[in-house]
Amino acid sequence: GAGVSQSPSNKVTEKGKDVELRCDPISGHTALYWYRQSLGQGLEFLIYFQGNSAPDKSGLPSDRFSAERTGGSVSTLTIQRTQQEDSAVYLCASSPQGIPNTGELFFGEGSRLTVL
Amino acid sequence: SQQGEEDPQALSIQEGENATMNCSYKTSINNLQWYRQNSGRGLVHLILIRSNEREKHSGRLRVTLDTSKKSSSLLITASRAADTASYFCATDEDNTDKLIFGTGTRLQVFP
Repeated sequence: GAGVSQSPSNKVTEKGKDVELRCDPISGHTALYWYRQSLGQGLEFLIYFQGNSAPDKSGLPSDRFSAERTGGSVSTLTIQRTQQEDSAVYLCASSPQGIPNTGELFFGEGSRLTVL
Repeated sequence: SQQGEEDPQALSIQEGENATMNCSYKTSINNLQWYRQNSGRGLVHLILIRSNEREKHSGRLRVTLDTSKKSSSLLITASRAADTASYFCATDEDNTDKLIFGTGTRLQVFP
């Protein structure tokens, strides 16, 4: 597709369940980013990938959060044993090369997660 | 971690007025970017200014950067109701590929 695609757009789950959020970056973009945005707040950095590797995982809130990227394309963010505080919009973005080289991130519309 | 802090947190103006938003950051940077977010949507890139630049223009947008003060400002001239959105600054933290966003300014432009 022409832009960054995220699915599902909305997810309601029960506390304790696992969820998977998917991101399809723009074709050819090597850098991929995940952010979390709580209601009315700024963006919290979670993780980024260069190709399939994640140089910096320091933003992941806990060991219940994990992410992977395969084939230098699709990425999945997995949250295990979800808690109510995980409720937020999870935003994915991609970039052609990486911040120092190109700067601009292209964002998807986000996946809104609600944990009951 | 929050690299950027923006002020004001919220700004309300009338159409035709100018809107100025400020951003402060903490570490050395390669560039600083401004993004816009309409309610419930993803972010859209507006403008990028490199650390060796002091001012940049794009249409009705004017961005300044003062690396000695670690601050930037975004000016939107002749605002329109359609400019109503949240505006975020973002910087590459410590010259890495990690782009850190500020807390945002919510701009409301009344027709």
